[in-house]
Amino acid sequence: QKEVEQDPGPLSVPEGAIVSLNCTYSNSAFQYFMWYRQYSRKGPELLMYTYSSGNKEDGRFTAQVDKSSKYISLFIRDSQPSDSATYLCATIQGAQKLVFGQGTRLTINP
Amino acid sequence: ETGVTQTPRHLVMGMTNKKSLKCEQHLGHNAMYWYKQSAKKPLELMFVYSLEERVENNSVPSRFSPECPNSSHLFLHLHTLQPEDSALYLCASSQDPGGKKLFFGSGTQLSVL
Repeated sequence: QKEVEQDPGPLSVPEGAIVSLNCTYSNSAFQYFMWYRQYSRKGPELLMYTYSSGNKEDGRFTAQVDKSSKYISLFIRDSQPSDSATYLCATIQGAQKLVFGQGTRLTINP
Repeated sequence: ETGVTQTPRHLVMGMTNKKSLKCEQHLGHNAMYWYKQSAKKPLELMFVYSLEERVENNSVPSRFSPECPNSSHLFLHLHTLQPEDSALYLCASSQDPGGKKLFFGSGTQLSVL
Protein backbone atom coordinates (compact mmCIF):
# COMPACT_ATOMS: atom_id res chain seq x y z
CA GLN A 1 0.00 0.00 0.00
CA LYS A 2 1.32 3.42 -0.95
CA GLU A 3 1.88 5.80 1.94
CA VAL A 4 0.02 8.62 0.19
CA GLU A 5 -2.50 8.03 -2.60
CA GLN A 6 -3.77 10.73 -4.91
CA ASP A 7 -5.93 10.54 -8.02
CA PRO A 8 -3.74 11.85 -10.86
CA GLY A 9 -6.72 13.21 -12.82
CA PRO A 10 -6.63 15.13 -15.06
CA LEU A 11 -9.35 17.33 -13.62
CA SER A 12 -10.90 20.06 -15.77
CA VAL A 13 -13.43 22.58 -14.42
CA PRO A 14 -14.87 25.93 -15.58
CA GLU A 15 -13.62 29.20 -14.16
CA GLY A 16 -15.35 30.15 -10.94
CA ALA A 17 -16.10 26.57 -9.89
CA ILE A 18 -15.20 25.14 -6.50
CA VAL A 19 -12.43 22.58 -6.84
CA SER A 20 -11.92 19.67 -4.47
CA LEU A 21 -8.62 17.80 -4.48
CA ASN A 22 -8.14 14.78 -2.26
CA CYS A 23 -5.58 12.35 -0.89
CA THR A 24 -5.60 9.39 1.45
CA TYR A 25 -2.73 8.22 3.60
CA SER A 26 -1.90 4.93 5.24
CA ASN A 27 -0.13 5.69 8.53
CA SER A 28 -2.21 7.11 11.37
CA ALA A 29 1.00 8.43 12.96
CA PHE A 30 1.39 11.11 10.29
CA GLN A 31 0.78 14.56 11.81
CA TYR A 32 1.80 17.21 9.28
CA PHE A 33 0.14 17.51 5.90
CA MET A 34 1.19 19.78 3.07
CA TRP A 35 -0.14 20.86 -0.30
CA TYR A 36 2.32 21.88 -2.98
CA ARG A 37 1.48 23.46 -6.34
CA GLN A 38 3.61 22.81 -9.41
CA TYR A 39 3.28 24.85 -12.57
CA SER A 40 4.49 23.42 -15.87
CA ARG A 41 8.30 23.45 -16.19
CA LYS A 42 8.69 24.63 -12.58
CA GLY A 43 9.45 23.00 -9.26
CA PRO A 44 6.74 22.53 -6.63
CA GLU A 45 6.00 25.41 -4.24
CA LEU A 46 4.41 25.07 -0.83
CA LEU A 47 0.81 26.26 -0.82
CA MET A 48 -0.36 25.33 2.67
CA TYR A 49 0.36 23.02 5.54
CA THR A 50 -1.73 21.82 8.43
CA TYR A 51 -1.04 20.01 11.67
CA SER A 52 -3.27 17.18 12.85
CA SER A 53 -7.00 17.46 12.17
CA GLY A 54 -9.13 20.41 11.21
CA ASN A 55 -9.29 23.16 8.63
CA LYS A 56 -6.91 25.89 7.59
CA GLU A 57 -7.93 28.72 5.30
CA ASP A 58 -5.76 31.04 3.22
CA GLY A 59 -7.64 33.28 0.84
CA ARG A 60 -9.44 31.13 -1.71
CA PHE A 61 -7.73 27.96 -0.48
CA THR A 62 -8.86 25.70 2.37
CA ALA A 63 -6.93 22.63 3.56
CA GLN A 64 -8.82 20.02 5.54
CA VAL A 65 -7.58 16.96 7.43
CA ASP A 66 -9.79 14.14 8.68
CA LYS A 67 -7.55 11.87 10.72
CA SER A 68 -10.34 9.41 11.50
CA SER A 69 -10.60 8.50 7.83
CA LYS A 70 -6.97 9.38 6.92
CA TYR A 71 -8.24 11.80 4.30
CA ILE A 72 -6.83 15.20 3.33
CA SER A 73 -8.47 17.72 1.03
CA LEU A 74 -7.71 21.01 -0.65
CA PHE A 75 -10.61 23.23 -1.71
CA ILE A 76 -10.21 26.10 -4.15
CA ARG A 77 -13.03 28.64 -4.26
CA ASP A 78 -13.71 30.94 -7.22
CA SER A 79 -11.14 29.05 -9.29
CA GLN A 80 -9.09 31.04 -11.80
CA PRO A 81 -7.21 29.97 -14.95
CA SER A 82 -4.01 30.85 -13.05
CA ASP A 83 -4.83 28.00 -10.65
CA SER A 84 -4.17 25.52 -13.48
CA ALA A 85 -1.28 23.40 -12.22
CA THR A 86 -0.46 20.04 -10.68
CA TYR A 87 -1.31 19.84 -6.97
CA LEU A 88 0.72 17.50 -4.77
CA CYS A 89 -0.23 16.40 -1.29
CA ALA A 90 2.53 15.39 1.10
CA THR A 91 3.17 14.29 4.65
CA ILE A 92 6.26 13.82 6.79
CA GLN A 93 7.39 10.23 7.27
CA GLY A 94 10.38 10.99 9.44
CA ALA A 95 12.90 13.74 10.07
CA GLN A 96 13.35 15.70 6.84
CA LYS A 97 11.61 13.03 4.73
CA LEU A 98 8.54 14.23 2.89
CA VAL A 99 6.36 11.62 1.19
CA PHE A 100 4.37 12.88 -1.77
CA GLY A 101 1.25 11.78 -3.59
CA GLN A 102 1.35 11.34 -7.34
CA GLY A 103 -0.14 14.79 -7.98
CA THR A 104 -3.43 15.84 -9.59
CA ARG A 105 -3.27 17.84 -12.79
CA LEU A 106 -5.91 20.59 -12.68
CA THR A 107 -7.08 22.78 -15.57
CA ILE A 108 -9.39 25.76 -15.05
CA ASN A 109 -11.13 26.67 -18.31
CA PRO A 110 -11.95 30.36 -18.96
CA GLU B 1 19.74 35.55 -7.97
CA THR B 2 16.99 34.41 -5.64
CA GLY B 3 15.69 31.07 -4.41
CA VAL B 4 17.05 27.77 -5.67
CA THR B 5 18.84 27.64 -9.02
CA GLN B 6 19.51 24.44 -10.95
CA THR B 7 21.72 23.96 -13.98
CA PRO B 8 21.49 22.75 -16.63
CA ARG B 9 17.74 22.93 -17.29
CA HIS B 10 17.94 20.13 -19.86
CA LEU B 11 20.49 17.36 -20.29
CA VAL B 12 20.74 14.54 -22.81
CA MET B 13 23.39 11.93 -22.17
CA GLY B 14 24.41 8.51 -23.34
CA MET B 15 24.67 5.58 -21.00
CA THR B 16 28.47 5.75 -20.92
CA ASN B 17 28.71 9.48 -20.22
CA LYS B 18 29.57 11.21 -16.96
CA LYS B 19 27.77 14.43 -16.15
CA SER B 20 26.93 16.53 -13.10
CA LEU B 21 23.85 18.44 -12.04
CA LYS B 22 24.35 21.60 -10.03
CA CYS B 23 22.13 23.27 -7.47
CA GLU B 24 22.67 26.55 -5.62
CA GLN B 25 20.45 28.07 -2.97
CA HIS B 26 20.48 31.73 -2.01
CA LEU B 27 18.15 31.44 0.98
CA GLY B 28 20.61 30.75 3.79
CA HIS B 29 19.06 27.35 4.45
CA ASN B 30 20.95 24.53 6.16
CA ALA B 31 19.40 21.47 4.49
CA MET B 32 19.43 20.48 0.82
CA TYR B 33 17.71 17.66 -1.02
CA TRP B 34 17.67 15.78 -4.31
CA TYR B 35 14.32 14.46 -5.56
CA LYS B 36 13.48 12.47 -8.69
CA GLN B 37 10.19 13.13 -10.49
CA SER B 38 9.12 10.58 -13.11
CA ALA B 39 5.95 10.66 -15.16
CA LYS B 40 2.95 9.20 -13.32
CA LYS B 41 4.97 8.53 -10.16
CA PRO B 42 5.24 10.45 -6.90
CA LEU B 43 8.28 12.54 -6.12
CA GLU B 44 11.01 10.23 -4.81
CA LEU B 45 13.47 11.47 -2.21
CA MET B 46 17.03 10.55 -3.16
CA PHE B 47 19.41 12.33 -0.79
CA VAL B 48 19.28 14.77 2.12
CA TYR B 49 22.14 16.89 3.39
CA SER B 50 21.88 18.75 6.67
CA LEU B 51 24.70 21.11 7.63
CA GLU B 52 26.70 19.61 4.77
CA GLU B 53 26.45 16.06 6.11
CA ARG B 54 24.47 13.40 4.30
CA VAL B 55 21.62 12.29 6.55
CA GLU B 56 19.54 10.30 4.10
CA ASN B 57 20.39 8.00 1.23
CA ASN B 58 17.13 6.53 0.10
CA SER B 59 18.44 3.29 -1.47
CA VAL B 60 19.68 5.13 -4.52
CA PRO B 61 21.91 3.20 -6.98
CA SER B 62 25.60 4.03 -6.82
CA ARG B 63 25.53 5.46 -10.35
CA PHE B 64 24.13 8.57 -8.62
CA SER B 65 26.70 10.27 -6.40
CA PRO B 66 25.83 13.43 -4.43
CA GLU B 67 28.25 16.06 -3.22
CA CYS B 68 27.62 18.96 -0.87
CA PRO B 69 30.78 21.13 -0.60
CA ASN B 70 29.04 23.83 1.46
CA SER B 71 25.57 24.73 2.67
CA SER B 72 24.76 26.67 -0.51
CA HIS B 73 25.79 24.17 -3.16
CA LEU B 74 24.72 20.64 -4.02
CA PHE B 75 25.80 18.44 -6.90
CA LEU B 76 24.56 15.17 -8.32
CA HIS B 77 27.22 13.30 -10.26
CA LEU B 78 25.91 10.87 -12.85
CA HIS B 79 27.71 7.96 -14.53
CA THR B 80 26.68 4.90 -16.53
CA LEU B 81 23.01 5.76 -16.24
CA GLN B 82 20.16 3.68 -17.63
CA PRO B 83 17.27 4.84 -19.83
CA GLU B 84 14.90 4.39 -16.88
CA ASP B 85 16.83 7.12 -15.07
CA SER B 86 15.33 9.66 -17.46
CA ALA B 87 13.30 12.02 -15.28
CA LEU B 88 13.10 15.51 -13.83
CA TYR B 89 15.66 15.92 -11.04
CA LEU B 90 14.66 18.50 -8.49
CA CYS B 91 16.82 20.16 -5.89
CA ALA B 92 15.27 21.67 -2.78
CA SER B 93 16.37 23.43 0.38
CA SER B 94 14.79 24.03 3.76
CA GLN B 95 15.53 25.83 7.00
CA ASP B 96 13.05 24.29 9.41
CA PRO B 97 14.36 21.10 11.04
CA GLY B 98 11.34 19.02 10.12
CA GLY B 99 11.73 19.74 6.42
CA LYS B 100 8.05 20.69 6.06
CA LYS B 101 8.63 23.74 3.93
CA LEU B 102 10.80 22.91 0.98
CA PHE B 103 11.88 25.44 -1.62
CA PHE B 104 12.40 23.74 -4.96
CA GLY B 105 14.40 24.69 -8.00
CA SER B 106 12.93 24.33 -11.49
CA GLY B 107 14.71 21.04 -12.04
CA THR B 108 16.94 19.44 -14.64
CA GLN B 109 15.09 17.41 -17.26
CA LEU B 110 17.38 14.45 -17.93
CA SER B 111 17.13 12.13 -20.91
CA VAL B 112 19.34 9.04 -21.04
CA LEU B 113 19.71 7.52 -24.50
